[in-house]
Amino acid sequence: DVKVTQSSRYLVKRTGEKVFLECVQDMDHENMFWYRQDPGLGLRLIYFSYDVKMKEKGDIPEGYSVSREKKERFSLILESASTNQTSMYLCASSEHTGTSFSYEQYFGPGTRLTVT
Amino acid sequence: TQLLEQSPQFLSIQEGENLTVYCNSSSVFSSLQWYRQEPGEGPVLLVTVVTGGEVKKLKRLTFQFGDARKDSSLHITAAQPGDTGLYLCAGASTGGSYIPTFGRGTSLIVHP
Repeated sequence: DVKVTQSSRYLVKRTGEKVFLECVQDMDHENMFWYRQDPGLGLRLIYFSYDVKMKEKGDIPEGYSVSREKKERFSLILESASTNQTSMYLCASSEHTGTSFSYEQYFGPGTRLTVT
Repeated sequence: TQLLEQSPQFLSIQEGENLTVYCNSSSVFSSLQWYRQEPGEGPVLLVTVVTGGEVKKLKRLTFQFGDARKDSSLHITAAQPGDTGLYLCAGASTGGSYIPTFGRGTSLIVHP
């Protein structure tokens, strides 16, 4: 079974703090994604990565950065947390080998971040 | 970004009832996924449909992909409280980005 783990299930941070959210997958997937999920807004893509050290902006990258130094690990960084970044953060991974691309995503359990 | 519309947005039913949720778009999709997300957890992949007109069954859940590959439905027979959750569809368009587009979901509550 694919397993995607996230470093924390719940996190409370203060405004202005630097926040690190880590995600690890054990299926050797090439693609990794960070989403945030808010009531009424659905899943919104923040950043994704299709290879080590590669990253692409999603729909809402402002206020966030990412790092992918190893294939299995994708980190989301909030440089200076703000209250409007209070949300559920979901990491996902998917496979991409050669010309075959799988759109099936495997999600972690999520991190509920509260910024006060 | 292609839009995926899911309906209904909310559904509250009694155990044993049948239900259908819909996922519609004006775009043609090369494949479409359905996920279920339980409260406080991440979405879990249920099924992928690829061929127009395709029907897949997963126990009491029946998934159908429209002939034109623009829409899909999920039918649950004799719903149980364990079916409670947010049902999300996601589609990958033909010739477009390899990032799937997610619908906003149908929130289902099944009362015992």
